[in-house]
Amino acid sequence: EAGVAQSPRYKIIEKRQSVAFWCNPISGHATLYWYQQILGQGPKLLIQFQNNGVVDDSQLPKDRFSAERLKGVDSTLKIQPAKLEDSAVYLCASSSGQGNQPQHFGDGTRLSIL
Amino acid sequence: EDQVTQSPEALRLQEGESSSLNCSYTVSGLRGLFWYRQDPGKGPEFLFTLYSAGEEKEKERLKATLTKKESFLHITAPKPEDSATYLCAVRVSKAAGNKLTFGGGTRVLVKP
Repeated sequence: EAGVAQSPRYKIIEKRQSVAFWCNPISGHATLYWYQQILGQGPKLLIQFQNNGVVDDSQLPKDRFSAERLKGVDSTLKIQPAKLEDSAVYLCASSSGQGNQPQHFGDGTRLSIL
Repeated sequence: EDQVTQSPEALRLQEGESSSLNCSYTVSGLRGLFWYRQDPGKGPEFLFTLYSAGEEKEKERLKATLTKKESFLHITAPKPEDSATYLCAVRVSKAAGNKLTFGGGTRVLVKP
């Protein structure tokens, strides 16, 4: 079974620029999550989708971050404009959404802001 | 507010030297406690789910246990390939969907 795919693996931009990340979840997984992981910390949920609807975006900085999941499969996360504190690894995860099934993570995109 | 605290932050072990990692939590309505392993440059890899106090799960040299306030991950006779960051996370009943709240992780280094 193919895992969660993310691209790009690395991205370096200057502050105030924009950036986008892409995620393809495990086939058949209805629930998709975007997490931010700052160096030395655990992942923090940014947004959760169930199919193509948003379930939880309470910790998403909506003035600069946006995410979409068109057709309920792939998803993109965008930052515009980027700030220095956005330097982190952005992880995508998916789960079947049934009961307590675990979330499976991609390898993330490491974002560096200069 | 739900809180998850892991200790120690870092652990250096000699190969074969058994030890335990702690994950303490303050939440209302625990629906599940999850352990993940994360290697450098990789995403977290699922290890275990524990649901109720007294439950135990094992996988190779790892054993996870759960009480009403904390969980332990015991590493028995570790090998260098067990070196990684171990993350615990909780799912609570009041959270929308299946949101996980993670602790800060314990970085484990096993030296040969």
